[in-house]
Amino acid sequence: QVQLVQSGAEVKKPGASVKVSCKASGYTFTTYDINWVRQAPGQGLEWMGWMTPNSGDTGYAQKFQGRVTMTRNTSISTVYMELSSLRSDDTAVYYCARSPAYSYDFWGQGTLVTVSS
Amino acid sequence: DVVMTQSPLSLPVTLGQPASISCRSSQSLVYSDGNTYLNWFQQRPGQSPRRLIYKVSNRDSGVPDRFSGSGSGTDFTLKISRVEAEDVGVYYCMQGTHWPSFGQGTRLEIK
Repeated sequence: QVQLVQSGAEVKKPGASVKVSCKASGYTFTTYDINWVRQAPGQGLEWMGWMTPNSGDTGYAQKFQGRVTMTRNTSISTVYMELSSLRSDDTAVYYCARSPAYSYDFWGQGTLVTVSS
Repeated sequence: DVVMTQSPLSLPVTLGQPASISCRSSQSLVYSDGNTYLNWFQQRPGQSPRRLIYKVSNRDSGVPDRFSGSGSGTDFTLKISRVEAEDVGVYYCMQGTHWPSFGQGTRLEIK
């Protein structure tokens, strides 16, 4: 069965960086894009960007341009999302989601990133 | 950017009664291939989002048939024919036709 398993919770100080991983299984990793979506406490869903595991191509929401980097390691079917220059308002649950045809059919369990001094 | 506007934002419903959520986009969601990439997600408390509907009206496997999606262009609707206790949560519309964006979410609760 399709699974996306994300890395564990992180606590970071303002100005630091965080790198969250998303390991895919149950399907051919290079077949579908992976997108990242975040959710601040008590808030809605916010799209951050996408990566095409086959080519390594990426696209980022304008809001995160210059601060986010998405990479992958095809040998272990894992996509990474790194967010730099963290601020308190980056505190959120970060989700990866498999993306067939401009939609998201499977989601990871989420990774809580807390930014606090 | 395409803005997705949902209404209502809060939806108290009596068990067994129908419910309806509206989603409007600031631009047409018809893609150049003729498809309309409008999705609906359910997020139960403490869980990851789950897709219910894709391309306006296609129900995902395992989604009860009391959920249905409809609409075209810029106006879309999610309907629940008879609300059950397990339907409590927040519902989001999301468009994938342009750079992706989500609605604000509609919180469904049992009255």
